[in-house]
Amino acid sequence: SYELTQPLSVSVALGQTARITCGRNNIGSKSVHWYQQKPGQAPVLVIYRDSNRPSGIPERFSGSNSGNTATLTISRAQAGDEADYCCQVWDSSTAAVFGGGTKLTVL
Amino acid sequence: QVTLKESGPVLVKPTETLTLTCTVSGFSLSNPRMGVSWIRQPPGKALEWLAHIFSNDEKSYSTSLRSRLTISKDTSKSQVVLTMTNMDPVDTATYYCARIPGGDFFIDYWGQGTLVTVSS
Repeated sequence: SYELTQPLSVSVALGQTARITCGRNNIGSKSVHWYQQKPGQAPVLVIYRDSNRPSGIPERFSGSNSGNTATLTISRAQAGDEADYCCQVWDSSTAAVFGGGTKLTVL
Repeated sequence: QVTLKESGPVLVKPTETLTLTCTVSGFSLSNPRMGVSWIRQPPGKALEWLAHIFSNDEKSYSTSLRSRLTISKDTSKSQVVLTMTNMDPVDTATYYCARIPGGDFFIDYWGQGTLVTVSS
């Protein structure tokens, strides 16, 4: 299976920069998408196609993808950014694949 | 305005078949760029993709659950239906339907989700 590896948790101080990784061999050859999910809510797309932000998503959210790691970066972290974040790719053989999710804590 | 809404039973018994319906609005299931997936999330756990149906009616299934899943659509009713056979308590989860435009295949719209509990 095409598994995506994420850290279980990431902590960041208020106002600092958080980086959440999504790893897999040669993930740089895929388009990676990121979702934010708050408790009791459906996920929300925050980054698509590696580094693109949907309308309404703050510029503080950015993404990159190269080699074996894709990264979601949240600058100037706010309390409202505290959530689970999950990466996703689409593979022609396995269709949609999700990472295991990362819980972001803003201290 | 694009919306997706899941409907179905909140409680099923072990060995029963689950049938969930996703009713969409704001786009057509016949739009050649649009597909719909079903995704689930057990309590406190990660998202798991289950099945996808493309606009041309081509279907794709999770390898591990393929034998238990069937996805179909009724374009005239704007509905996508998922059936899962032989339900087990480990299938207890929130089930989401989601729209996936073709091309890069990211989810741009999610339903609110429906919690299905499997228990006798």
